Amino acid sequence: EDKVVQSPLSLVVHEGDTVTLNCSYEVTNFRSLLWYKQEKKAPTFLFMLTSSGIEKKSGRLSSILDKKELFSILNITATQTGDSAVYLCAVGGSEKLVFGKGTKLTVNP
Amino acid sequence: KAGVTQTPRYLIKTRGQQVTLSCSPISGHRSVSWYQQTPGQGLQFLFEYFSETQRNKGNFPGRFSGRQFSNSRSEMNVSTLELGDSALYLCASSASGGLFYEQYFGPGTRLTVT
Repeated sequence: EDKVVQSPLSLVVHEGDTVTLNCSYEVTNFRSLLWYKQEKKAPTFLFMLTSSGIEKKSGRLSSILDKKELFSILNITATQTGDSAVYLCAVGGSEKLVFGKGTKLTVNP
Repeated sequence: KAGVTQTPRYLIKTRGQQVTLSCSPISGHRSVSWYQQTPGQGLQFLFEYFSETQRNKGNFPGRFSGRQFSNSRSEMNVSTLELGDSALYLCASSASGGLFYEQYFGPGTRLTVT
């Protein structure tokens, strides 16, 4: 059965800290790995990764995929209170998209 | 461009009834996907429609069905509602890449089954 496991489930940091969120997966016929940020209701897209070892970067956020070891990490540097959200990892394969349970990040001032 | 819209935003139904939810994608997007989100199970994929055809399907029972119209608007139907169907139902639209690419989510429909 396909599965996506995110860790940690929750994380509390202070503004300015750097955080690393983890996503490991077991999915048949891998197509892509996506990161989303969910603050209230609607998740918003962050990154799509399909090739191993290539880093995607947007401002303070970056992500990398390791297709051999079947995991991805999402890094956030110099965190801000606006980064507080649930970060979702989703992996596409075999005609479906499987989401992890998410990591709840709380950034305190 | 207007974002993804979903109607209604909130709904209360009784066990055994059926319900239809609607989703209007971003203009020009041909792929619409549906998801169920609950505190216990998280976000789970229901199905994806592209050009009026179901293209991908998750592991939900046949009580959950959908369709897509020629203007890309989509509806999801749940028949014989159960208490466990109480959830936030999200739809998302995407350009031609679809399910495995960047998707834009709507605000969701909160369904409560009593």
